[in-house]
Amino acid sequence: DIQMTQSPSSVSASVGDRVTITCRASESLSGYLNWYQQKPGEAPKLLIYAASKLQRGVPSRFSGAESGTDFILTINTLQPEDFATYFCQQSYGAPRTFGRGTRVDLK
Amino acid sequence: EVQLVESGGRFVQPGRSLTLSCEVSGFRFGDYTISWLRQAPGKGLEWVGFIRSKDYGGAPEYAPSVKGRFTISRDDSNKIAYLHMNSLKMEDTAVYYCSREERAMVNFYYYYFMDVWGRGTAVTVSS
Repeated sequence: DIQMTQSPSSVSASVGDRVTITCRASESLSGYLNWYQQKPGEAPKLLIYAASKLQRGVPSRFSGAESGTDFILTINTLQPEDFATYFCQQSYGAPRTFGRGTRVDLK
Repeated sequence: EVQLVESGGRFVQPGRSLTLSCEVSGFRFGDYTISWLRQAPGKGLEWVGFIRSKDYGGAPEYAPSVKGRFTISRDDSNKIAYLHMNSLKMEDTAVYYCSREERAMVNFYYYYFMDVWGRGTAVTVSS
């Protein structure tokens, strides 16, 4: 099974900051990497698919990048509604696997 | 409106069985792979398994943690997916979500992602 190592587990930030979250896959994913945002009590929401494609309706301050087996989610100019937990997920093979999540909270 | 609604979650004793349902509306259910995922209290997301559309053979896949105990099925005519859970353990306690796995072509390849989720149904396994 493909292992996803996500870091950091939490980050404290202020409104207006840039936040970066990294996921490292245990093998090549050829871009089959998705990012989700989850707020307490809610279902996850898709932000990015295919490593860098922005899902419809997601603000452009969210972006994704790929470098080998490393994947980066960047949130530019953090907004109040962005305080949440973020998960990466590989869709290269089954079983699908997730990173452990990164909680973004207020500094 | 594209919607998935889970139901069937409840309190159940260890060793017992439970079936969850995922009712779908707003899209052609038969064209999509449907996934089941779960989230234990205070924990991250865990993919439980999925069932492919008939066009892709209709076969299910499972996470190692549930293989042999859980079964996913689908009723395309009624637009419902099921998660049949046997031999439940306390560690199966979680909110269970179903989702649609969409695909998009990027640079001539199809990529897969879960673009619509239900709100979840809670399963508590305890004596």
